[in-house]
Amino acid sequence: DVVMTQSPLSLPVTLGQPASISCRSSQDLVYTDGNTYLHWYLQRPGQSPRRLIYKVSRRDSGVPDRFSGSGSGTNFTLHISRVEAADVGVYYCMQGIHWPRYSFGQGTKLEIE
Amino acid sequence: EVQVVESGGGLVQPGRSLTLSCVTSGFTFDEYTMHWVRQFPGKVPEWVSGINWSSEVALYADSVKGRFTVSRDNAQNSLYLQMNSLREDDTALYYCVKGDYDYSLEVWGQGTTVIVSS
Repeated sequence: DVVMTQSPLSLPVTLGQPASISCRSSQDLVYTDGNTYLHWYLQRPGQSPRRLIYKVSRRDSGVPDRFSGSGSGTNFTLHISRVEAADVGVYYCMQGIHWPRYSFGQGTKLEIE
Repeated sequence: EVQVVESGGGLVQPGRSLTLSCVTSGFTFDEYTMHWVRQFPGKVPEWVSGINWSSEVALYADSVKGRFTVSRDNAQNSLYLQMNSLREDDTALYYCVKGDYDYSLEVWGQGTTVIVSS
């Protein structure tokens, strides 16, 4: 099984400041087709998860460009350039190469300090 | 707009059965894999089951294999999860999720709650 490890698990951030979340996988997430299937989700309080970023760095429709993803192989990062109140929630990374046995990181709880 | 709406959750006694349903709209249902994902309160989402567009491939997490059965009706744009021999540790919020061609869980429903308790 692919184990996903996120850090930090708790992320207090001041409004308007940048934030970043790290995600590491126990296996290389480059698939045989050359694509890297690492995705990021945000679960706001009381809501279902919403995909923000797919294939490392591609933003979903409607996701502000304050959000960006980077990384390769086994190390990935979600960046938020300027945190807003609407960004509060739990962020998960998820691997897709072991379709459909997807697995998530432990989650990073972002809160405003 | 893509929509997935789950129903069928509720309170059920251990050992009994329950069937979840998911109705979808806004996309060509029979072109996509569909999934069930569950989430225990305050925990990380857990993939439960996935079924490909033609129903030829249906896979399960080890924790539910042999007890849960996923199915779909492409004519009705609907997904189902038959849950048998329910246990208290199956208590969770169950999400219906649209798959995509990028091996991700693209669009999630709001979930339906299953509580297994005597």
